[in-house]
Amino acid sequence: DVKVTQSSRYLVKRTGEKVFLECVQDMDHENMFWYRQDPGLGLRLIYFSYDVKMKEKGDIPEGYSVSREKKERFSLILESASTNQTSMYLCASDRGGYGGYTFGSGTRLTVV
Amino acid sequence: GQQLNQSPQSMFIQEGEDVSMNCTSSSIFNTWLWYKQEPGEGPVLLIALYKAGELTSNGRLTAQFGITRKDSFLNISASIPSDVGIYFCAGQRTGANNLFFGTGTRLTVIP
Repeated sequence: DVKVTQSSRYLVKRTGEKVFLECVQDMDHENMFWYRQDPGLGLRLIYFSYDVKMKEKGDIPEGYSVSREKKERFSLILESASTNQTSMYLCASDRGGYGGYTFGSGTRLTVV
Repeated sequence: GQQLNQSPQSMFIQEGEDVSMNCTSSSIFNTWLWYKQEPGEGPVLLIALYKAGELTSNGRLTAQFGITRKDSFLNISASIPSDVGIYFCAGQRTGANNLFFGTGTRLTVIP
């Protein structure tokens, strides 16, 4: 069964901490994405990557960075967590083309 | 970023009723997709549409790619309790790697 796995389902972090959200896919997909989901706002793209070591900013990259050192792994980094980054974070991957994404189960991050 | 307007925002329906929801955009997409998100999970792809005017079914779900390429519709017939969740539309442009998502329709089915 093909999968996108996010390392944590729930995280609680303190303001100012550096936070790493990890995502791994086992489908040999080229493209990987990080979205955040907030009520009433839908899914908003933070960053995506179409190849190892390549990254592109999405609609809301401020306060975030990403790392893709290996094809299967895409990490989202909050350099200095703030309370307005409390959200559900969703990782997704696809092989390119127009077949749609496969999503992970999400990480619900609370910053206190 | 691109805004896709989805309506209604939420629906409360009786089991057995049919459901309709739609998604509109200010610009053209070449692919429309519909996802469902169940509580505590990531969205799962339901239907993908690739051609203006296309009508595609997946069981009790039917989706249409609007002829203007700026909208799409999803219908669910004879709803059941497991249809509960948030339904998202998404659009993709030719040559683009990423999808633009709607704001979601939260469906509640009352047994």
